[in-house]
Amino acid sequence: DAKTTQPNSMESNEEEPVHLPCNHSTISGTDYIHWYRQLPSQGPEYVIHGLTSNVNNRMASLAIAEDRKSSTLILHRATLRDAAVYYCIPPVQGAQKLVFGQGTRLTINP
Amino acid sequence: GAGVSQSPSNKVTEKGKDVELRCDPISGHTALYWYRQSLGQGLEFLIYFQGNSAPDKSGLPSDRFSAERTGGSVSTLTIQRTQQEDSAVYLCASRDGGGPGAKNIQYFGAGTRLSVL
Repeated sequence: DAKTTQPNSMESNEEEPVHLPCNHSTISGTDYIHWYRQLPSQGPEYVIHGLTSNVNNRMASLAIAEDRKSSTLILHRATLRDAAVYYCIPPVQGAQKLVFGQGTRLTINP
Repeated sequence: GAGVSQSPSNKVTEKGKDVELRCDPISGHTALYWYRQSLGQGLEFLIYFQGNSAPDKSGLPSDRFSAERTGGSVSTLTIQRTQQEDSAVYLCASRDGGGPGAKNIQYFGAGTRLSVL
C-alpha cells in the first residue's frame, strides 16, 4: 500500500490562498489520491480526489504532479471555517478503508 | 436527516462494563465502516461491512470488540469489559457503491465519545 507524507502544521491568513502539500512517492499508476479534512469536533469530510490531471470542485483544487509522486490541495481563498486537519489519503488495496496519517493542521488567522 | 447518524453522542462508562454504539448509515449505502480516534493513536480503521460479504475485521484491536450490521443498514459496535484505553471517539462512515473503485468517498457521522472511568 502507498504511503503519504504531509507537514504537521501550516498557517495562513484569511482570504489568502493556501497550498497544502502531500508526498506519495510510492503510489502506483492506477491509484487515486483522496483528500479529507476534519473540522474541530466533527467527523472527517471528503474534500476532493484525483488520478492524473488537476481537479476542481466547489471546495478546493487538487494539483497532481506529472510524475504523480506528489500533490497539492489548494484552497483559493481561505476562510476561518477552513481551519481543520487536512488528510492526504493513500490508496489501499482491497477494502477501501481510509488510512489516516497525522495530517496537516491548518490554522487560519483573521 | 440525510447524513450518517451515531448514538449516543457521548457515553461514560465504568471499567469492566459493556457498551454498545449505534450507527445509522445513509440510506442505500452498501458499505459501512467503523473507525476510532484517540489522542495517542490518531484515526484508525476498525471494521468494514460491504453488502452481504464477510466483514473485514482486520482493524479490531482485541476480541473484546465486535460489530454487526443488521439487514444491511444499522450497525452496532460492541465493546465488552471496557478498559480505560478504549476511551476514544468512535466514528462511523458509509459509502455508496460496492467493491473497489476510483471513488472512495466516505460520509462520516459526528462520532460517539466514549469515556471509560
